[in-house]
Amino acid sequence: KQEVTQIPAALSVPEGENLVLNCSFTDSAIYNLQWFRQDPGKGLTSLLLIQSSQREQTSGRLNASLDKSSGRSTLYIAASQPGDSATYLCAVSGTSYGKLTFGQGTILTVHP
Amino acid sequence: DVKVTQSSRYLVKRTGEKVFLECVQDMDHENMFWYRQDPGLGLRLIYFSYDVKMKEKGDIPEGYSVSREKKERFSLILESASTNQTSMYLCASSFNGAGDTQYFGPGTRLTVL
Repeated sequence: KQEVTQIPAALSVPEGENLVLNCSFTDSAIYNLQWFRQDPGKGLTSLLLIQSSQREQTSGRLNASLDKSSGRSTLYIAASQPGDSATYLCAVSGTSYGKLTFGQGTILTVHP
Repeated sequence: DVKVTQSSRYLVKRTGEKVFLECVQDMDHENMFWYRQDPGLGLRLIYFSYDVKMKEKGDIPEGYSVSREKKERFSLILESASTNQTSMYLCASSFNGAGDTQYFGPGTRLTVL
């Protein structure tokens, strides 16, 4: 059974810092890996999707990498801002229907 | 923009009531999903559907059923609500296949008294 772990569980940084969130998964037979953002009491917003054949994806200040063989992904956030404060969730899809297995999330706080 | 809407943001029901949570997507997506989110347990898949009238159990289907009579609408049914079904319920949809992004609705916070 696929298990997804995110480290750290919480992170507090001053504005302007570059930071890295980590995600690991136990079964490397995945179709893709997605990073989501969730604001308190809200639904999830997709940030980046990396197909299993890809090594990384970039969107603005965000860069996600995937090392399928070692079961790891990182989300790099450059020049963090208070508006980046949220919970970041990593999820992997292991079936053709796109069923997702989620990690517990990293709660990020960026203070001015 | 893809839009996934859920019928209620907040819902309070009593133990034993039959509860319907509805989800509608406007992008002609094939796949639709119901998750619940609980502190310390994260998001867990309840059921999903890959076509009209087709459904598959997720990781925690006990106590729930689903209905998909039309492509754009996916309903989650709690046949007899219990207090341990108090949770945040999130619906999602994706176009087709494992390579596509899932788009989430805003969630329904259900409290069962």
